[in-house]
Order: sequence, then structure tokens, then C-alpha cells
Amino acid sequence: GQQLNQSPQSMFIQEGEDVSMNCTSSSIFNTWLWYKQDPGEGPVLLIALYKAGELTSNGRLTAQFGITRKDSFLNISASIPSDVGIYFCAGENNAGNMLTFGGGTRLMVKP
Amino acid sequence: NAGVTQTPKFQVLKTGQSMTLQCAQDMNHNSMYWYRQDPGMGLRLIYYSASEGTTDKGEVPNGYNVSRLNKREFSLRLESAAPSQTSVYFCASRTIPVGIVNTQYFGPGTRLTVL
Repeated sequence: GQQLNQSPQSMFIQEGEDVSMNCTSSSIFNTWLWYKQDPGEGPVLLIALYKAGELTSNGRLTAQFGITRKDSFLNISASIPSDVGIYFCAGENNAGNMLTFGGGTRLMVKP
Repeated sequence: NAGVTQTPKFQVLKTGQSMTLQCAQDMNHNSMYWYRQDPGMGLRLIYYSASEGTTDKGEVPNGYNVSRLNKREFSLRLESAAPSQTSVYFCASRTIPVGIVNTQYFGPGTRLTVL
């Protein structure tokens, strides 16, 4: 099946630092999504990207859809303790009915 | 508006036992999904239902069956549980996109342990 490789697997940073994580795929996706999962909860959508090359921001979060449609990155600026959680990338297939998820990046923020 | 609800939240089974995980959504969404989440592997799709009356296999369907009971409810059944099915199970729903807004909404998960 399709594979999404997400890196890094985990990050431990100081509050106020910027964070960058990325996702690469062996296949092309038409839509890239970034989710955040808090402990004991289901994933919640942060940013959706629909066009190759698209750069989208949501507050302190910025994500880009790679020009080849096989990769995406997510940046978090000026991290705060509530940014702690697991961040997942996901690619949506052409039919728009299935998501393939990356393995997740576990973010820990030290106050 | 509760969104996506799942029951039970926790369950422990013995190998060979059966059980049904329940999922309901009150957002009038057409599509519903079942995923499992294992450490370091993200979420993997088990089954999905694009609309009431239809179901399709996802990436890891073996050992599971599903029923789309009506537009609101989508259940996942384990007929004979195995330790390899120990996981966290998430249900999600999604509406038919209008414009370009299109996202899946997830329930809180069911933590299943098979001994």
C-alpha cells in the first residue's frame, strides 16, 4: 500500500522555539492534511492543502504542499506548552474517500 | 451537537471472544470510517462506508466486519478477537465536500486489549 514517511518521530524542544516536521510519500496525493492528536483524544484537523505549491497558515502554524505532490511540511512558530501532542500528516487519494496517515511526530515542549 | 461518539471507551477481551464497537455521528455526514492506531504506525483504515448501504475494505480489513446500520451509525465487529487486534480504534465521519472544504471528524477512540 501507499506509505507516508514522517520525520522526525519525536522532538523535545524548549518553549518559544520553532518546530519543523515533514512528510514524504512514494505516491502523489491531491490533498495533504495535517492533524494533531492530544492524549486520549481523536485527531483534529489543523491545516488542509489542496494545490501543489500551496502555502497555508493557521495562526502559528504554516504548512506547504510540495510542488511534486509527494511531500509536505508543517512549521510551528514560537511553541507553547499546549502544542504538546502527536502531529500526523495524511494524504487523500484521488477519489477523495480514503486517507493514508504518516507515523506521527511526537512533540514535547519544555516550559 | 456531540459530533462523533464511540462506545465503549475501554474493553478487555480474551482471545476468541467477539464484540462490536459502536460509532454514531449527529452531523448528517454521508461517509464514515473505522481506523486502528498502533504505536508508531499512525492510523490505518480498516473499513469505510461512503454512504448508507455501502461498505468497502480499507488497508487492514482482515478479522473485522462492519455494518452501516443507518446514516448515523457504523459498527465494527470482531468475530474472534486475537492479540494482534489490541489497538486503539477510531471512528470518523465526513460530509460530501462543498467547495473545497473537506475533512474527517474523529471520535475519541476505543482502547481494546485482547489477552
